[in-house]
Amino acid sequence: DGGITQSPKYLFRKEGQNVTLSCEQNLNHDAMYWYRQDPGQGLRLIYYSQIVNDFQKGDIAEGYSVSREKKESFPLTVTSAQKNPTAFYLCASSTGTYQSYNEQFFGPGTRLTVL
Amino acid sequence: AQSVSQHNHHVILSEAASLELGCNYSYGGTVNLFWYVQYPGQHLQLLLKYFSGDPLVKGIKGFEAEFIKSKFSFNLRKPSVQWSDTAEYFCAVNAGHQAGTALIFGKGTTLSVSS
Repeated sequence: DGGITQSPKYLFRKEGQNVTLSCEQNLNHDAMYWYRQDPGQGLRLIYYSQIVNDFQKGDIAEGYSVSREKKESFPLTVTSAQKNPTAFYLCASSTGTYQSYNEQFFGPGTRLTVL
Repeated sequence: AQSVSQHNHHVILSEAASLELGCNYSYGGTVNLFWYVQYPGQHLQLLLKYFSGDPLVKGIKGFEAEFIKSKFSFNLRKPSVQWSDTAEYFCAVNAGHQAGTALIFGKGTTLSVSS
């Protein structure tokens, strides 16, 4: 089955620790995205990547880092510099072509809790 | 900056009632418009989309939305809701036709349907 997988589903972290969230897709999509979802805030863009080895900051990139070494993978690192990291993190992908009009497909999410 | 406003934070309806969820966006040019739904414990999934053509678009599960360009609106409707429609609904917009760019989401509307 084609789709997007995120792991782990639940993640607990102590303050001051970095943690990496995994996102893998087998849809052969060029573009990938990371969003953060907080209650009553909708989805806010952290980073996105339109092609391998390239990525751009979104609206709330501070305290986060990403890499895009492979087309199918777009891991997100939540660093100790992120002041309020407890949230639900969603990864998405799209074909990245004009014809797709940017319809995005979402993974199941990772819920991060900082203790 | 582009933005998306969803007027209702929480809507409570009885089964068989009609539904309309408001969505307005701020962008003067060409837009692609989306409604996504997040059922409890499930992935965020596409409900319907508008790219061009007929401003009345139909989606899954009996939902439809009307694009009114003069009002910058893309309201979601369903003539008769079911208990299974209980979910969170997000309106999203992508400005222009630039490939691989991220969506801007509204803050979401929680719909609760009582049987």
